[in-house]
Amino acid sequence: QQQVKQSPQSLIVQKGGISIINCAYENTAFDYFPWYQQFPGKGPALLIAIRPDVSEKKEGRFTISFNKSAKQFSLHIMDSQPGDSATYFCAASTVFGNEKLTFGTGTRLTIIP
Amino acid sequence: NAGVMQNPRHLVRRRGQEARLRCSPMKGHSHVYWYRQLPEEGLKFMVYLQKENIIDESGMPKERFSAEFPKEGPSILRIQQVVRGDSAAYFCASSPGLTSGRAIGYEQYFGPGTRLTVT
Repeated sequence: QQQVKQSPQSLIVQKGGISIINCAYENTAFDYFPWYQQFPGKGPALLIAIRPDVSEKKEGRFTISFNKSAKQFSLHIMDSQPGDSATYFCAASTVFGNEKLTFGTGTRLTIIP
Repeated sequence: NAGVMQNPRHLVRRRGQEARLRCSPMKGHSHVYWYRQLPEEGLKFMVYLQKENIIDESGMPKERFSAEFPKEGPSILRIQQVVRGDSAAYFCASSPGLTSGRAIGYEQYFGPGTRLTVT
């Protein structure tokens, strides 16, 4: 019940296109859903996050869509750029629990010219 | 404002030796989390600590692994008698915690990691 399932495992998108990564969770107690971006040899960097009280959050080219009833959330990267090529992880936790993050397995995104 | 600091960045140990990984949280952060990332895999929670307290160690192997976050100094993840399967990247994250009064006290910020290689 603690799993977070992420898809696809890898994604190739043309420059200027929209990259979409999906995650699904099982634990209904989760109430915080961040996305992290990781470049090779670096630590994960917090990209954007959402709480269940809203269905969408946008920051620049990055948007999280959240569907509480379906227990799914997704990351959309608009106007994808080669600099966006990285591995993206979704995660979930309980804010008023012990806050530990449960991560998805990651999506390796490659943006081609 | 320095971020989360980890050292060493790379650590090579022979089987049977001890590995000590250090983590200094961001200024003002009192919560520390350790995660392990195996090659080509996601991050797995190991342990959650506050100053002088282990809050949750449910992700940590029962033997050979221990963690501490003393009143003064960095958090330490200690692996005794390392084996090849311990080779991984170990990441530390910190957060200010909800009791800090900050609205987003639960946001976790990661360090650059320590890459442990056991030969």
